[in-house]
Amino acid sequence: EVQLVESGGGLVQPGGSLRLSCAASGFTFSNYWMTWVRQAPGKGLEWVANIMPDGSAKYYVDSVKGRFTISRDNARNSLYLQMNSLSAEDTAVYYCANKDVWGQGTLVTVSS
Amino acid sequence: QAVVTQEPSLTVSPGGTVTLTCGSSTGAVTSGHYPYWFQQKPGQAPRTLIYLTSNKHSWTPARFSGSLLGGKAALTLSGAQPEDEAEYYCLLSYSGVGEVFGTGTKVTVL
Repeated sequence: EVQLVESGGGLVQPGGSLRLSCAASGFTFSNYWMTWVRQAPGKGLEWVANIMPDGSAKYYVDSVKGRFTISRDNARNSLYLQMNSLSAEDTAVYYCANKDVWGQGTLVTVSS
Repeated sequence: QAVVTQEPSLTVSPGGTVTLTCGSSTGAVTSGHYPYWFQQKPGQAPRTLIYLTSNKHSWTPARFSGSLLGGKAALTLSGAQPEDEAEYYCLLSYSGVGEVFGTGTKVTVL
């Protein structure tokens, strides 16, 4: 069964950092582009970042450039999102996806 | 970054047909934008319906189809069912820049 499981979400203070993880199983992880998508409460989907299968190219939405870093470990079938300088506008459910299959998401709340 | 626009809401009768569209602020949508379509129901993660303009997954109901129509990507639902009531999002790829989701269309089956 193809599965993506996110973890690492939680409550963090403005200006703080958080690292999200996504564990993949059931498919050849190293063959796929991987993507982080977020959804603020009551809002639409927002593409955040993606990374090439070998990790050599990464793209980000303008609002997170310089603050977020996407990475992957193909040996561990894992995707990561390092989030720094967080603000209330980053509060959302964060999903990882290979665009065919999605995880269930992990909630990040930025609040004092 | 580009803005991708969808109809905010559409209503379709049970058994009826409705077409959702996905336009780009940069110009015509082509197969080179690798259009995807996703369905999301309240409280659930999105589910991929259509990939690369018109391809269906094994779990995609046959009543959904994807195409390019009048410079936009399109998702057509033929023979709408009550369970098709959901939010639908398109996703377009912009070479060397990244990807952008559409604004979403809420489909009501009534």
